[in-house]
Order: sequence, then C-alpha cells, then structure tokens
Amino acid sequence: TQLLEQSPQFLSIQEGENLTVYCNSSSVFSSLQWYRQEPGEGPVLLVTVVTGGEVKKLKRLTFQFGDARKDSSLHITAAQPGDTGLYLCAGVGSGTYKYIFGTGTRLKVLA
Amino acid sequence: SAVISQKPSRDICQRGTSLTIQCQVDSQVTMMFWYRQQPGQSLTLIATANQGSEATYESGFVIDKFPISRPNLTFSTLTVSNMSPEDSSIYLCSPFRGFCEQYFGPGTRLTVT
Repeated sequence: TQLLEQSPQFLSIQEGENLTVYCNSSSVFSSLQWYRQEPGEGPVLLVTVVTGGEVKKLKRLTFQFGDARKDSSLHITAAQPGDTGLYLCAGVGSGTYKYIFGTGTRLKVLA
Repeated sequence: SAVISQKPSRDICQRGTSLTIQCQVDSQVTMMFWYRQQPGQSLTLIATANQGSEATYESGFVIDKFPISRPNLTFSTLTVSNMSPEDSSIYLCSPFRGFCEQYFGPGTRLTVT
C-alpha cells in the first residue's frame, strides 16, 4: 500500500515567517500534486511535479520533487494570513490512475 | 480548470436514512472519483465511476453502503445508505482529466445525528 506522510501535521506561525512542509513516501510516484483546502471548499490544485529533482515556483511558494520521486516539499516564503489552510500532497503511483493523498498539514498564519 | 458542482452543499440527516449526492461537470469525462474527507482528515478514495459499468470500490467501501450511478459522462451520484454518525464527512467528487489535472467539486458536508 502506498502511503504519503506529511510533516508537520500542524503549524502555527507569525506573518512574515518562512516554512517548509514535507511529503514523504517509500514508494515511487509518477507525479505528485500539492493542494490547498480552505474551510467549506474542495481542495484547489496548486502545482503538479512530474520529473525527479524538479523545482517549481508559484509566487512565494516553491515546490520540489525528490530526485527519486518518493518525496516532495513545499516552501512558503514570508507567509501571509491568506496562506492559512490545509495543505495536501497527492501522488499517482506507477501503472495506476489513482491519487493517494497525504495525511495533510494544517497551517495557520497569524497576523 | 473544470466547473464542478455538487448538490446538496450540506445536509443534516438522521441515523438510518440515506442521502444521494449529485455531481455535475461542465464537460465529458471518462472517470469520476468519489472521495470522503472525515473531520480534520485527508481525503480517502471511495470509488471510481465509469459510464456504462459498475463502479470500482476501494478497500473498506462496498456498493451496498455507497451505491454510485454514472448515467452519462457529465454526471454522477453517490448515495450514502443507512447512515450512522460515523458517516459524517465531506464527500467530494473529482473528474479525471489526466494525471496533471485533478479538480474537485466544492464538496457535500454531511452530518448524521
């Protein structure tokens, strides 16, 4: 069974601080996605990474896919209250169409 | 992105009753995923629905409890049958549009009393 463990599980920081969220597995994924979910809404896709070692930037968010395609990280620079939400990683295993979701990281950015 | 709507957006139901959740997509898709998100948790895949065939259920989920219909390529329903408080969750549909594009409906928040 493929599992995606995220850390930390909870994170509460002050506005302006930097943070990194990790998504780890013992399995290889053909692609990995990051989502943010706000209360009362479905998850919103932030980025998809497909190549080992790939780095993608989305404004203050930097996403990295591990060289072995087993892990990923999300780094937020100068966090803002609008970044508050549940961050989820999701991976697609080789030879399957199903997405496996990570355990989630709940981020709260205080003004 | 995709335009995905779900009905109802939320409901409070009594134990033992059933609720059917509708998912409408703005374009045709081959597969539709149904997920459950229990309070404070991540997403768990319930089943994959294809048009014209029976849905494929994940371990721990059965058709008698979560019957799914897929009458055409833009619509699907998930029924939560004989509900118990443990079924209180957010239920989400997601059309499959390729491995780099997965979008979700707004979800149906179900509370079972």
